Formats: sequence, structure tokens, C-alpha cells
Amino acid sequence: DIQMTQSPASLSASVGDTISITCRASQDIGRYLAWYQQKPAKVPTLLIYNVSTLYAGVPSRFSGSGSATDFTLTITGLQPEDFATYYCQRYSSAPRTFGQGTKVEI
Amino acid sequence: EVHLVESGGGLVQPGGSLTLSCAASGFIFSVYEMGWVRQAPGKGLEWISYIGHDGGTTFYADSVRGRFTVSRDNVKDVMSLQMNNLRVEDTAVYYCARDLHGGATPFDSWGQGTLVTVSS
Repeated sequence: DIQMTQSPASLSASVGDTISITCRASQDIGRYLAWYQQKPAKVPTLLIYNVSTLYAGVPSRFSGSGSATDFTLTITGLQPEDFATYYCQRYSSAPRTFGQGTKVEI
Repeated sequence: EVHLVESGGGLVQPGGSLTLSCAASGFIFSVYEMGWVRQAPGKGLEWISYIGHDGGTTFYADSVRGRFTVSRDNVKDVMSLQMNNLRVEDTAVYYCARDLHGGATPFDSWGQGTLVTVSS
């Protein structure tokens, strides 16, 4: 099975910072890569799919890039509501594995 | 508005069984692929199952294959997850989720989740 590895596991940042989270696939997954945000005790929400397509309603400060095995989620100008845990997921085929998550803390 | 509501969670002993349901509304259920994702307490998301729009195709994570069965009723707009031979490590919040659209797509809508606790 294809493994998805996120880094870092956690990071500390301040409002206004620009941060990047990486996700590495153990094999080429093409562009079938999504990013989700999960706030404490809340349901995950879709941010980005197909590597770089913003889901409806997602602010433009979120962006995604990459291809094949290496992908990046960038948040430009962190807002207070962005402090959460972020997950990548491959979805080209089963198992649609998630990364282990990256917690973004103040 | 898309609405997914899970039910059926609870406390069960190891080796026991439980059936979760996911009631869908606000969209044409029969044309969407669906799935189940779980999250153990304090842990990350784990994809566990997929079902095609007509129920004819199913996939499972290795951790649940052979013990869990996903199904759907496109008349009642309900997806189910039959869980047998439950283990302590199956303790988690179970979410049902809808694929964004046809083909290989991520989950764009999630239910609120139902907690399954496996303990003696």
C-alpha cells in the first residue's frame, strides 16, 4: 500500500506568518492529493483537492502544490481560525490513506 | 444542504458486533460514492471503507477487511457499516463521508460522527 508521510508533526507559528506543510507519498500518486483541516472536536473539512484546487469557500491564503510524490500545503498570512490540524489524503485508489496530521499551534 | 447523520455507536465488548448507519439528505444519494473514516481518541484520521454509488463496488482498509461490511440502500438514502468481531483498537469516532463527485475524488461532506467504544 502507498504510505503518506506528513511533516512536521507539529509546528508553532504566529498570526500573519506563512507556513508550509509537506506530504510525501511512497509512490507516484499523480494529482490525486487532498488537504483537510480539522479543528479540535470538529469534523474535518476539505480545503484543497487535485493538489492545488481550492474547494468552494476556502480562503485564497490556502494553496497547494506538488506532483507525483511530494506535495505542499501553504498558508500565507495565518489567521487565528487557521490554528488546527491538517491532513493530506491520497484518493486515486483504495486504500485512500491519510497522512498522520500536522498540528499548527500558536 | 448536504446532511449526513451517523447513528448506532455505543459501548460493545470485544468480539461483539455493531451496525452503524448514515442517513443522507439534501442531495441525490444514489449518484455519489461514499465512505467511512474513523478517528481513535487523540489520533489522526483513518480511512476504512468505500462504496460505489450503486453499492456494487466496495473497498476496505486492511485493518477492518473481513470484519466490517459496508452497504447502502439507495431507496432509503442510508449507508451502513456492519462491524463484527470488534477489537479494543476499533474504538473511535466513526464518520461517514461523501465523495466530491464521480470518479476518484476526496470527501467533501462529513457527518458529525458516532462514537464506538470497544471495552470489557
